[in-house]
Amino acid sequence: AQRVTQPEKLLSVFKGAPVELKCNYSYSGSPELFWYVQYSRQRLQLLLRHISRESIKGFTADLNKGETSFHLKKPFAQEEDSAMYYCALPISSGSARQLTFGSGTQLTVLP
Amino acid sequence: EPEVTQTPSHQVTQMGQEVILRCVPISNHLYFYWYRQILGQKVEFLVSFYNNEISEKSEIFDDQFSVERPDGSNFTLKIRSTKLEDSAMYFCASRRTGWRSGGSGNTIYFGEGSWLTVV
Repeated sequence: AQRVTQPEKLLSVFKGAPVELKCNYSYSGSPELFWYVQYSRQRLQLLLRHISRESIKGFTADLNKGETSFHLKKPFAQEEDSAMYYCALPISSGSARQLTFGSGTQLTVLP
Repeated sequence: EPEVTQTPSHQVTQMGQEVILRCVPISNHLYFYWYRQILGQKVEFLVSFYNNEISEKSEIFDDQFSVERPDGSNFTLKIRSTKLEDSAMYFCASRRTGWRSGGSGNTIYFGEGSWLTVV
């Protein structure tokens, strides 16, 4: 079955510390993975897509096909990074392919 | 930047009543979605919609639910005879193009959600 797993529900780090939010996936074929962020009950916003290989707000994520992982990393966490982070994977076939989300990781950056 | 907008932001309804949640997707987008998030749980897919018909629906999306695009801009989710367990945040989303591997139009954009409380 195609799914994403985020093993950590909660993650706390101190400001300035590195942070890594874990995401593992199960997918047959070449996956295209996304990270979405949700600040304090706001809309889900795209943070980054692995296909574009960009760094947004200092976050990066590398697709590791051997480990079937797409962990989100930031070398120096900021308090404004405190949010809910969701890893997502498109599933089903066809042009309307929807995203399935992991259960999310609540990141808290402590002062 | 254009955004998906949703109304109402919050609705309280009595069990058994019908509810309509409204969405205005981004104007040049062709694919529309509803997701829901029960408090403390993950975001779950309900339905996708393209070319005026349902493309795919999850097992959550039973006969109690229906979607409609009544005009060129609105996209609605109707929940008939609401139950307590329908209490959730409902997100509308849209995407500009059909899925194409590596395509720039693959990103799904979400609205701010409609928080439904069934009492």
